Order: sequence, then structure tokens, then C-alpha cells
Amino acid sequence: DAGVIQSPRHEVTEMGQEVTLRCKPISGHDYLFWYRQTMMRGLELLIYFNNNVPIDDSGMPEDRFSAKMPNASFSTLKIQPSEPRDSAVYFCASSQNRGGTGELFFGEGSRLTVL
Amino acid sequence: DAKTTQPNSMESNEEEPVHLPCNHSTISGTDYIHWYRQLPSQGPEYVIHGLTSNVNNRMASLAIAEDRKSSTLILHRATLRDAAVYYCILIRTNAGKSTFGDGTTLTVKP
Repeated sequence: DAGVIQSPRHEVTEMGQEVTLRCKPISGHDYLFWYRQTMMRGLELLIYFNNNVPIDDSGMPEDRFSAKMPNASFSTLKIQPSEPRDSAVYFCASSQNRGGTGELFFGEGSRLTVL
Repeated sequence: DAKTTQPNSMESNEEEPVHLPCNHSTISGTDYIHWYRQLPSQGPEYVIHGLTSNVNNRMASLAIAEDRKSSTLILHRATLRDAAVYYCILIRTNAGKSTFGDGTTLTVKP
């Protein structure tokens, strides 16, 4: 298996532009997580899905952020409009099995810079 | 969510054992203890996890206190490639949600 695949790896955009980050989880995994990592706040859980259904989005910073999972093999995290404070590395992770029994597999991340 | 507490940093000499501690005094009975590590410019990587009993795998060992309020990740022989940030997190059964703390930055000296 190729692992969790994220795109783009790097994105530089200007304030106010829409940003879409993409994630392909490992086949057969029923959980998908979106994290954000910054120096100031560390790794933050933004939202997670179980069987394509959003379960907890309490970590999503504000309405400018939205996430979807239209099918088991694809998810997007969208920021509209983007702001400089959104600059961070965004990680997608997936896991199999229920709850805490399964390990998290992370992608390589998408580094976002908003100018 | 139950939180974990780890030292900010630790140092080790190459080829010596390393014991990385984690406190999780508010752990619940359905929380699994997971350890991950993050190398520079990479995503976190799974190391090991357990519930009550000590666990061993090819990467490390996990020692869990009898009351489960603390655990220790053991790297039996540290190498330079083990230099990373190590995270101890709790994941609740059937809940999926996990919260990462600040982790421990491990420095391995040759």
C-alpha cells in the first residue's frame, strides 16, 4: 500500500485566496483525521471522520475552514478565504479498527504558506 | 479529553537505552496509550501502543504502570536515527479522537 497520500506537498498563496488540501487514506481504513501543526500550537486535531461521516469538528478554528469526505478514498480540507495565520503544515491520517485499538498512519503533510 | 504530560527534552548517548516517561493521571479505563515519533519534516510515525500490559515490538517496548497513570517508552539501543520528537497520546476506544501534547524532543549524541 502506498500509505496516506496528501496533495499538494507545498502551497503558497495570497491572503484571501481559496485553498484546497487533499487526502487519500489507506484503503480499508474507516477513520480519517485532519491535523494542523504550527510551532506555537503544536499538533492540533481539526476534524475526524468515521465511515465518511464527520464525527467531531470541534477543532476547526472557524467557519473559513470546511472538510468533506465524499467517499472512502478521498477527503478535502478547504480554507476560504485564507489568512496568513493559517500558515502551517496540515496532516491527514487514517486508521483501521475501532477507537484506540488501531494505529494512526500519517501522510507527509501539506505545507501551506499564506502571504 | 484526558491529557498527557511529558518532559520537553531528553538526551541520550548512542547505543545506550532510553526511557521516555509519560504521565496520564486522568486516563480512563477505555483509553489506549499510543506513542508516535516525528522526524524533522515528516509526519508522525507510529511506534507502539498498549492498554494494560507491557508491550514489545521491533521498534521499542512500552511499560505501563499498574494503575495506568503513567507509562514509559523504552528504546533499547538508541541510534542517531532515533533523534525525534516523541508523543504519548491517549485514544479512547470507539471514539477515535486523539489529542497530541508537546512531546519530548530526544537528542542522541554520538
